[in-house]
Amino acid sequence: SQQGEEDPQALSIQEGENATMNCSYKTSINNLQWYRQNSGRGLVHLILIRSNEREKHSGRLRVTLDTSKKSSSLLITASRAADTASYFCALGKYGGSQGNLIFGKGTKLSVKP
Amino acid sequence: EAQVTQNPRYLITVTGKKLTVTCSQNMNHEYMSWYRQDPGLGLRQIYYSMNVEVTDKGDVPEGYKVSRKEKRNFPLILESPSPNQTSLYFCASSPSMNTQYFGPGTRLTVL
Repeated sequence: SQQGEEDPQALSIQEGENATMNCSYKTSINNLQWYRQNSGRGLVHLILIRSNEREKHSGRLRVTLDTSKKSSSLLITASRAADTASYFCALGKYGGSQGNLIFGKGTKLSVKP
Repeated sequence: EAQVTQNPRYLITVTGKKLTVTCSQNMNHEYMSWYRQDPGLGLRQIYYSMNVEVTDKGDVPEGYKVSRKEKRNFPLILESPSPNQTSLYFCASSPSMNTQYFGPGTRLTVL
């Protein structure tokens, strides 16, 4: 499969703790993106990291990318109940006739107050 | 307000009755895409379009058609819906195939 695979599938933590989600993939990519989805609603873009970048920050989010291991991680620090959602990694692959963004199956994060 | 709109948001129909789900964006984006989301399978791309009159198949195009006659609109057409097309559908647009902006979703049930 060309999908990214998130790990774990589900994660339950207490408010204030950090949450780490991982994404592994098998194909070559141009970039890797993380999205958040609140239950049954549209996805919201969180952060994009290009294949030549190793780490990126945005507020309480930190994303790393290791292209040699074909893996990425998303860290949410000091989590809040409002962070409860599903998180998806998406592989950006384009060049030639390709124009796909391939999503993984997601990690369901539950942050308990 | 910059947004992607989809209509209808909810639809229950019967097998074989042609339907169209509309998608419109007001951000002048060139790239638009349709996905379906099913439990345990994540989001899968149905079709995408890099510009007006340019469309291409995604991972699961069977049973669907699209058209891109104008930059802002990208309708999804189910000529003869079947129960296995019951799903949550999302339209998305992007200025550059990077960050995608998603619509609110259309929940389709085919009986």
